[in-house]
Amino acid sequence: QVQLQESGPGLVKPSETLSLTCTVSGYSISNGYYWGWIRQPPGKGLEWIGNIYYSGSTYYNPSLESRVTTSLDTSKNQFSLKLSSVTAADTALYYCARVPLSGDTLLFDYWGLGTLVTVSS
Amino acid sequence: SSELTQDPAVSVTLGQTVRITCQGDSLRIYYAVWYQQKPGQAPILVFYNKNNRPSGMPDRFSGSSSGDTSSLTITGAQAEDEADYYCSSRDSSGNHRVVFGGGTRLTVL
Repeated sequence: QVQLQESGPGLVKPSETLSLTCTVSGYSISNGYYWGWIRQPPGKGLEWIGNIYYSGSTYYNPSLESRVTTSLDTSKNQFSLKLSSVTAADTALYYCARVPLSGDTLLFDYWGLGTLVTVSS
Repeated sequence: SSELTQDPAVSVTLGQTVRITCQGDSLRIYYAVWYQQKPGQAPILVFYNKNNRPSGMPDRFSGSSSGDTSSLTITGAQAEDEADYYCSSRDSSGNHRVVFGGGTRLTVL
């Protein structure tokens, strides 16, 4: 059974960098798939942040691209998200997910439980 | 870039059929993917591509597509189907980017 778990600070100061890690169990991230990040501000909808392919290629939401970096650590079976220069608008529940490509369709089939990150001084 | 538009709220009487729609230019090219999210829980995959349901997803959930609009149909809605539903698809620019709709809150009366 594939499981994902997000971890990282729950509180980040404005202008600093948000850093989260997703630990995957039940599947080796170096074997394939994209691995993605999605966020959800309190009471609002889902926003895609970005995906990283198992080879290391990255794809980001254009609205966040200048501030986002994702990476893989295959030795720990983890992938990570960094979001720089955060503001209160970045306060959200952050999810990581496995992202298969089915034909031309990118879908999120396994999700973590999410971790709440609050941006506040 | 792309946008996907969903009705903010839809209601259905218990046992009846309801259709949740998603509209956007990217849906002329790519299939929609549908997710269900209940309060306090992570989203779960409900339906994708022309006719794919994840293992264990009830067959009362089905999908369809016409032009720039995709739909998720629940035939015989149950109380446990009350949730937020999100559509997503690949960005119409042709790269490996994803866009989500704003979500539809389904109320089962």
